[in-house]
Amino acid sequence: NAGVTQTPKFRILKIGQSMTLQCTQDMNHNYMYWYRQDPGMGLKLIYYSVGAGITDKGEVPNGYNVSRSTTEDFPLRLELAAPSQTSVYFCASSTTPAPYEQYFGPGTRLTVT
Amino acid sequence: QKEVEQDPGPLSVPEGAIVSLNCTYSNSAFQYFMWYRQYSRKGPELLMYTYSSGNKEDGRFTAQVDKSSKYISLFIRDSQPSDSATYLCAMSGGGSNYKLTFGKGTLLTVNP
Repeated sequence: NAGVTQTPKFRILKIGQSMTLQCTQDMNHNYMYWYRQDPGMGLKLIYYSVGAGITDKGEVPNGYNVSRSTTEDFPLRLELAAPSQTSVYFCASSTTPAPYEQYFGPGTRLTVT
Repeated sequence: QKEVEQDPGPLSVPEGAIVSLNCTYSNSAFQYFMWYRQYSRKGPELLMYTYSSGNKEDGRFTAQVDKSSKYISLFIRDSQPSDSATYLCAMSGGGSNYKLTFGKGTLLTVNP
């Protein structure tokens, strides 16, 4: 049971490039989330999903897109990367009886230059 | 006023000290109160959660919620160097409102 896995661990992008951050969970959780964490700023919710085929915007969705075709996977797409998207990105998942108990992945450190 | 306020520290204590970490909040709808621990360059992990007001104890950790004051605390007894991490409070309205609102985190260092 690997929990929540994220790839890549690190990535450097040039301004205007695009990339997909991968997230997979093997706990059969229906809820999944994407956060970004900037230094000293806590965690901000980007997008979330309550099940396959259902996604919704969080607090800071601009510049990102998501899809959820399976229960296990919840990729985050960055289009036209900007320096403001330099951050650490965390994927998390939780289940219906205790949605507040979120399990986090190890994170992806992204730098846009 | 921000929904959740947390002093970012840093907080530095000697080994064995009692540590008190706190958050205040403004949203009366919050029902679930969580503390997450985040080691450097790792993802957050759930330490404890409390529903509504009251205390909850788990080993050296005690979580307290005072909804009348909109104030939550995490106490760490007999602190250890392995407790050195960033502690994030998080809150949720519960029910169909499963999204979490996080504090900014407090960086704690326990010195041997």
